[in-house]
Amino acid sequence: NAGVTQTPKFRILKIGQSMTLQCAQDMNHNYMYWYRQDPGMGLKLIYYSVGAGITDKGEVPNGYNVSRSTTEDFPLRLELAAPSQTSVYFCASSRLETGVYGYTFGSGTRLTVV
Amino acid sequence: AQKITQTQPGMFVQEKEAVTLDCTYDTSDQSYGLFWYKQPSSGEMIFLIYQGSYDEQNATEGRYSLNFQKARKSANLVISASQLGDSAMYFCAMREGRDDKIIFGKGTRLHILP
Repeated sequence: NAGVTQTPKFRILKIGQSMTLQCAQDMNHNYMYWYRQDPGMGLKLIYYSVGAGITDKGEVPNGYNVSRSTTEDFPLRLELAAPSQTSVYFCASSRLETGVYGYTFGSGTRLTVV
Repeated sequence: AQKITQTQPGMFVQEKEAVTLDCTYDTSDQSYGLFWYKQPSSGEMIFLIYQGSYDEQNATEGRYSLNFQKARKSANLVISASQLGDSAMYFCAMREGRDDKIIFGKGTRLHILP
């Protein structure tokens, strides 16, 4: 089925470890986004990309890095994991004009840093 | 200052009653879009409804309608004839700017009582 695929679904990291959250979409969407959702809170934008080779910071980029080498993939890199990065991470994509359909979200990655 | 304000952290509503979830927003853009998303306990983000700033009529999607009052910068979600399956977290969100970024409110947790 077409959509946004995130892997892994769950992960436990130790403080100081690094990992990459994978995100892939097969809808040929130009725009892709990474959000984090802390318990009981709304979503906060970490990074976004308006096309291959172009990325930009969102509201909470510190501690993260991204790359966009292809239209389909938008991985999020965590370097030196900290307990404050314990959260659920959502990847989303959209066409140039979200219009009626809004974003297409992935199912999320639940990350715990201990 | 918050861009999206949802003043109701939680609501309890009797099944089959109508419910209004409040949302106010803040933007200086003339062109913007407003969204509502549902997040059930399973965690996925489900797009419900969209209202463009130039749309003259309130958006409707089945049992969902968006009460758009532009002058008051208000975009309340109305759910008619609530069902037990409507129990979830509901997020109001706004798209502004040229990068198609969407900013989310903190959410309202809706509980439908049998």
